[in-house]
Amino acid sequence: DAGVIQSPRHEVTEMGQEVTLRCKPISGHDYLFWYRQTMMRGLELLIYFNNNVPIDDSGMPEDRFSAKMPNASFSTLKIQPSEPRDSAVYFCASSIIEGTGELFFGEGSRLTVL
Amino acid sequence: KNQVEQSPQSLIILEGKNCTLQCNYTVSPFSNLRWYKQDTGRGPVSLTIMTFSENTKSNGRYTATLDADTKQSSLHITASQLSDSASYICVVIPLHFTSGTYKYIFGTGTRLKVLA
Repeated sequence: DAGVIQSPRHEVTEMGQEVTLRCKPISGHDYLFWYRQTMMRGLELLIYFNNNVPIDDSGMPEDRFSAKMPNASFSTLKIQPSEPRDSAVYFCASSIIEGTGELFFGEGSRLTVL
Repeated sequence: KNQVEQSPQSLIILEGKNCTLQCNYTVSPFSNLRWYKQDTGRGPVSLTIMTFSENTKSNGRYTATLDADTKQSSLHITASQLSDSASYICVVIPLHFTSGTYKYIFGTGTRLKVLA
């Protein structure tokens, strides 16, 4: 398996623009997580899905952030409108709850909002 | 409040030396504790996993220990190599399955630099 695939790897945009980050989880994993990582706060959970259904979105900063999972192999995280304080690395991770529950992370999408 | 604190924040050592990274947590009860390695520009990758009943777990030159009484874990790296330069993140998974939550508690990591 190719692992968790994220795109784009890097995104530079101007304040006010819409940003869409994409994620393809590992096939067969029924949990998908979106995290944001900054130097100051480390990894923060934004939202997670189980079987394509959002379970907990309490980590989403505000209404400018939204996430969808239309099917088991694809998820998006959208920021509209973007602000400079959204600059961070956004990670997608997938997991199977049974067993070790290990998280498998993608390589991340580095977002810079000017 | 569930928290995971790591020390030191950063560490520089010479190649071939050993080092120990610390993790203190207040998460209770917990299912398991993990150490992840994150190379610059990459996603975190799992190194070790320990349940609350385990005291030690090794993965090559990496050895993790767990003291559930003092709520401390450590990651010991033996004979460090340049490729060990990375951030090391301690993660505690709470025993929350009955409440339906599934939130890993992450430390902010220790940045290790190994010099030749």
